[in-house]
Amino acid sequence: KAGVTQTPRYLIKTRGQQVTLSCSPISGHRSVSWYQQTPGQGLQFLFEYFSETQRNKGNFPGRFSGRQFSNSRSEMNVSTLELGDSALYLCASRQRNPQETQYFGPGTRLLVL
Amino acid sequence: AQKVTQAQTEISVVEKEDVTLDCVYETRDTTYYLFWYKQPPSGELVFLIRRNSFDEQNEISGRYSWNFQKSTSSFNFTITASQVVDSAVYFCALIFSSNTGKLIFGQGTTLQVKP
Repeated sequence: KAGVTQTPRYLIKTRGQQVTLSCSPISGHRSVSWYQQTPGQGLQFLFEYFSETQRNKGNFPGRFSGRQFSNSRSEMNVSTLELGDSALYLCASRQRNPQETQYFGPGTRLLVL
Repeated sequence: AQKVTQAQTEISVVEKEDVTLDCVYETRDTTYYLFWYKQPPSGELVFLIRRNSFDEQNEISGRYSWNFQKSTSSFNFTITASQVVDSAVYFCALIFSSNTGKLIFGQGTTLQVKP
């Protein structure tokens, strides 16, 4: 089976812009989670989607949003980018249940100038 | 509070040495799930192992072994006869039953294996 894929892999934006990141889960996986990784804060949970519904949300401002499509692919959007949004954004998928193992994609490295 | 702590920020060893990465956690939940992930320089988190809180049996997989002790809230990871390819950042993480599947990560331990 193909693993989790994320596009784009690298992105450079300027402050105030918005960005959309995409994630395709492992075939058959219906849950997609997003995490932000920064040197200062480490790995932090953004949100999780299951069957096109947000099932859980982390402690991030409303500028961070996401959605999931009927084929389980997911997108996350960050509006009004700030310098502090520079990070590695990781997507993970699992079959359905919250306690299952999450498998991660290669990530999207976002640099905000 | 639900928290995962990896006190070792960086570890450096010479190839073929054994190395243990420590992980301790805090939770009031009785049901939880423990994970270790490896992050090579490419950035992708690679799954290594999953344990549930009811299974304290230690596990060995090749050069890797895990020691889960509920009494001390620890889930340590040992690499035997380390190799240069083991150089990476290692993360311990937990899913607490009350958190609906959110992975809570430790800060990670950077392991450098020198030839």
